[in-house]
Amino acid sequence: NAGVTQTPKFQVLKTGQSMTLQCAQDMNHNSMYWYRQDPGMGLRLIYYSASEGTTDKGEVPNGYNVSRLNKREFSLRLESAAPSQTSVYFCASIRDRGLYEQYFGPGTRLTVT
Amino acid sequence: TQLLEQSPQFLSIQEGENLTVYCNSSSVFSSLQWYRQEPGEGPVLLVTVVTGGEVKKLKRLTFQFGDARKDSSLHITAAQPGDTGLYLCAGADDYKLSFGAGTTVTVRA
Repeated sequence: NAGVTQTPKFQVLKTGQSMTLQCAQDMNHNSMYWYRQDPGMGLRLIYYSASEGTTDKGEVPNGYNVSRLNKREFSLRLESAAPSQTSVYFCASIRDRGLYEQYFGPGTRLTVT
Repeated sequence: TQLLEQSPQFLSIQEGENLTVYCNSSSVFSSLQWYRQEPGEGPVLLVTVVTGGEVKKLKRLTFQFGDARKDSSLHITAAQPGDTGLYLCAGADDYKLSFGAGTTVTVRA
C-alpha cells in the first residue's frame, strides 16, 4: 500500500495563478484533511472531509477550495495564489474515527512569488 | 492563538542525555497524540493517549497524559541521534486535530 500520496512535490507559482494540489489514499479511510505548515506555527487545518460527499472549513480556509472527488481522493485548489499562501501543504486521512489517528502524505512545498 | 502550547521550542542535547518535551492546553481533549516529523516528510504518529493519568512507553520514549486530560509530556531516555526531529502534539476534538507549534530536538553524536 502506498498510504497517502500527494502531487506535486514542489511547485512555484506567480501571484494570481491557480493550481490544484492532489491527494489520494489507498487505506479505505473515510475522513481526509488538508493542512498547511509554516515555521513556528505548527500545522493549521484548512479544510476537512468527514466522509465522501461532505466538506467543512477548518481554521484557515480563506483563499482555498476543496473537492472530495470520491472516497480515495481529496483535492485542494488555490484560485488566485498570493505570497501569503507560500507554505508546505499536507494531506492526511484518519485511521480510527474514535482516536482520530492521522496518516500524513509527504507534503507539497509551494512558493508563490 | 495555539490551543496547544509546546515547550521548549528548541532543544539540543548530547547523545545519551535525557530530555522532556511538554504540551499544555486550557482545553480538554478526547485524545492526545504525539507525532515526529523529519525534514521533507510528513508527521508520523508515535502514540495516542486517551485516559487521564495514562502513561505509555515506546522503547526509550515515555508519554504521559495529565489527570485532567489537558496536558501531556514526552520523555526520551538516553537520546540517540536518530531521535532528532520535530515533535508535535495534537489534541483531538470531534473530527479535528489542533496541533502545537512543535519542539525541534537535535541530538548531537
